[in-house]
Amino acid sequence: KQEVTQIPAALSVPEGENLVLNCSFTDSAIYNLQWFRQDPGKGLTSLLLIQSSQREQTSGRLNASLDKSSGRSTLYIAASQPGDSATYLCAVRNTGNQFYFGTGTSLTVIP
Amino acid sequence: NAGVMQNPRHLVRRRGQEARLRCSPMKGHSHVYWYRQLPEEGLKFMVYLQKENIIDESGMPKERFSAEFPKEGPSILRIQQVVRGDSAAYFCASSFGQGPGYGYTFGSGTRLTVV
Repeated sequence: KQEVTQIPAALSVPEGENLVLNCSFTDSAIYNLQWFRQDPGKGLTSLLLIQSSQREQTSGRLNASLDKSSGRSTLYIAASQPGDSATYLCAVRNTGNQFYFGTGTSLTVIP
Repeated sequence: NAGVMQNPRHLVRRRGQEARLRCSPMKGHSHVYWYRQLPEEGLKFMVYLQKENIIDESGMPKERFSAEFPKEGPSILRIQQVVRGDSAAYFCASSFGQGPGYGYTFGSGTRLTVV
């Protein structure tokens, strides 16, 4: 069974700093991996989807990388802003029907 | 495109009542998934449906929970005889397909409180 771990559980940074969120998974035979953000009391917003054949995806100030062999993905956020404050979730899909979610990294960007 | 629509946003039920949660997938999406988020826990898969078919219900509790996705209308997650432990946020997601290039789009969730 796939296990997804996100470290750190919480992170607080000053505005403008670049930061990296980590996601690790136990079964490297993945189909794809998706990063989401979740604001308090809200739903999930998709940030980036990386297929198993890809190494990275970029969208604006976000860059996600995937290293299947080591079972890791990172989400890089450049020039952080207070509006980036949210919980970031990593979700991994094997060949089955479900995504396995980590418990998230709670990010606070201090103005 | 209105995205994935879930209603109600908040639902309060007394122990023993029934809860019905609705999900309309994004236009053009025929794959629907239900997830549950318990307080301080990650999202857990419950069920995957396509129109009129349950494809995978391996995450559904064996009793009191059921799901459907009829030919017409939204997908429904039904919880009978709710208990306090059912209090959680229930999220619906949809996708266009099942291939590696397809991710999920989530709704805003239904927050169920059992009193």
